[in-house]
Amino acid sequence: SQTIHQWPATLVQPVGSPLSLECTVEGTSNPNLYWYRQAAGRGLQLLFYSVGIGQISSEVPQNLSASRPQDRQFILSSKKLLLSDSGFYLCAWSPEHFNYEQYFGPGTRLTVT
Amino acid sequence: AQSVSQHNHHVILSEAASLELGCNYSYGGTVNLFWYVQYPGQHLQLLLKYFSGDPLVKGIKGFEAEFIKSKFSFNLRKPSVQWSDTAEYFCAVKRDSGAGSYQLTFGKGTKLSVIP
Repeated sequence: SQTIHQWPATLVQPVGSPLSLECTVEGTSNPNLYWYRQAAGRGLQLLFYSVGIGQISSEVPQNLSASRPQDRQFILSSKKLLLSDSGFYLCAWSPEHFNYEQYFGPGTRLTVT
Repeated sequence: AQSVSQHNHHVILSEAASLELGCNYSYGGTVNLFWYVQYPGQHLQLLLKYFSGDPLVKGIKGFEAEFIKSKFSFNLRKPSVQWSDTAEYFCAVKRDSGAGSYQLTFGKGTKLSVIP
């Protein structure tokens, strides 16, 4: 069966510091991968998605970037964090074709101080 | 772009009460519809989904939802809630095909509290 991992689970970082959140999927190949941010009372906002290695699409221009160095690895990064980057970040995957549901990881709670 | 509205921010019910959570979306084309649930401290997980066919879909744990195309609605129902149903529920929609068909658009969520 497929599993999705995210780490770290929680992170506290000062403003201006870099960020790297990692997501890996097991038990499938060529998944579509997604990064979301969840804010209380606002639902989930899609940040990036990827259909293959090195292929990244950004949905919301911001201080963050994403990379997919391997088929089942998706990384969310920032060179300099802002206070507004605080939030709950979720990684998700879906089978290769888009007409399937997405499966979510446990998330990372990021607090920028 | 599509949008999703969930009418209730917080619903409080006693055990054994019936549940209906509203969800409306705005998009004129063919859509896929989902309800996700997030139990306290757990992953967001799929409760049920609609792609095509019978508009009444059944999910896990006794939940069901009805797709009413004319009303752009996909309301979630359960005849008798349990304390363990306490969670946050999210409705989501995606286009069936074409540009943007990768993107799940979520509602803001409804928090359900079930009192024993």
